[in-house]
Amino acid sequence: DSGVTQTPKHLITATGQRVTLRCSPRSGDLSVYWYQQSLDQGLQFLIQYYNGEERAKGNILERFSAQQFPDLHSELNLSSLELGDSALYFCASSPRGGDYGYTFGSGTRLTVV
Amino acid sequence: QQQVKQSPQSLIVQKGGISIINCAYENTAFDYFPWYQQFPGKGPALLIAIRPDVSEKKEGRFTISFNKSAKQFSLHIMDSQPGDSATYFCAACRPYSGGYQKVTFGTGTKLQVIP
Repeated sequence: DSGVTQTPKHLITATGQRVTLRCSPRSGDLSVYWYQQSLDQGLQFLIQYYNGEERAKGNILERFSAQQFPDLHSELNLSSLELGDSALYFCASSPRGGDYGYTFGSGTRLTVV
Repeated sequence: QQQVKQSPQSLIVQKGGISIINCAYENTAFDYFPWYQQFPGKGPALLIAIRPDVSEKKEGRFTISFNKSAKQFSLHIMDSQPGDSATYFCAACRPYSGGYQKVTFGTGTKLQVIP
């Protein structure tokens, strides 16, 4: 157990639907990062939050949005889902300051049918 | 300047051999270079990491070699085992004011160790 909790582990939904993926960072970590990984592909950075504020945006589609709540958990919302959105979605967290303890969760496997 | 270039894309090594994966970066603001190991269907896990003030770090069969002047670093897996078969990602991290970091990943190397 890495300490980063992602729910649900698996999600199957139809095209056009909306889903919410949840991430609880490791205790004490202030940063949350979201990544998308399609089959046999690399890690595509989506978005980063630090202590509730958006800090960096990657290749995140307009249909996707995220937020980090006061208790530091984060949610990634995916809407108007398409078949191509099927992927593993990972959350990672890191603490404040110079300690680069960057820890991934076990991911949510999203299948859009 | 934020890119990290990783090679090769895939690698097949015989059991007992040495696996070598290379990464190169441009941005000198990076100051922490971790390697992650990912098994199919799992999240990447930190394997080993190095800071640019040292040229080599060894942990068991895994060694990072770091060449600051060339802006290159590599992962060496000695006595490679079938259980090492996984995808390996290099990464480069840089700090930002306010106490947070940004991490740039390489594109990954799929390693297969054959018996």
